[in-house]
Amino acid sequence: QKEVEQDPGPLSVPEGAIVSLNCTYSNSAFQYFMWYRQYSRKGPELLMYTYSSGNKEDGRFTAKVDKSSKYISLFIRDSQPSDSATYLCAMYSGGSNYKLTFGKGTLLTVNP
Amino acid sequence: GAGVSQSPSNKVTEKGKDVELRCDPISGHTALYWYRQSLGQGLEFLIYFQGNSAPDKSGLPSDRFSAERTGGSVSTLTIQRTQQEDSAVYLCASSNILNSPLHFGNGTRLTVT
Repeated sequence: QKEVEQDPGPLSVPEGAIVSLNCTYSNSAFQYFMWYRQYSRKGPELLMYTYSSGNKEDGRFTAKVDKSSKYISLFIRDSQPSDSATYLCAMYSGGSNYKLTFGKGTLLTVNP
Repeated sequence: GAGVSQSPSNKVTEKGKDVELRCDPISGHTALYWYRQSLGQGLEFLIYFQGNSAPDKSGLPSDRFSAERTGGSVSTLTIQRTQQEDSAVYLCASSNILNSPLHFGNGTRLTVT
């Protein structure tokens, strides 16, 4: 079992839809959770950063962490064509463990 | 301010040649990471530098790969005797404090023919 599982998609939605992206993980030591957005031929760009369980909202984006289920989610409201990209979840334990473990990414297309 | 800068953005080389990839981290960031991104494989950790501490080289796939970081700033990743399986995007990232998120460059796309 891989440490982080993420459905690669592709996921195609109409403009204005609510998008739900998810990752599951197996390492209960993970405490820091991130979502990155990566456009084609660009580096990953940090979208959301959360510590431990709970929700965090930033504009149209909401990140949720459920440590009891080892499950994290990213919701995008009122999706736009400019949201079309690959979304990567990433996580690490913190402290002396500084290596981010990434999901393989979900390719999202928002159609106008 | 300037983000993480990587050069070259693209590199095509023949099998067996050596290549050097360069990374300029965000000014003041003490931690520097190299990752490799292959099609369908996600991001693979290669090496980590933190200040003056010995680097964590545990992710380097073979002894053909090496990296250095001069003066706590610029880093160079060297791949000797390149093989076709080395073809990938090599990403550099930096962060300023422990447990803070990583900021990535746009990568170097390496193609070994």
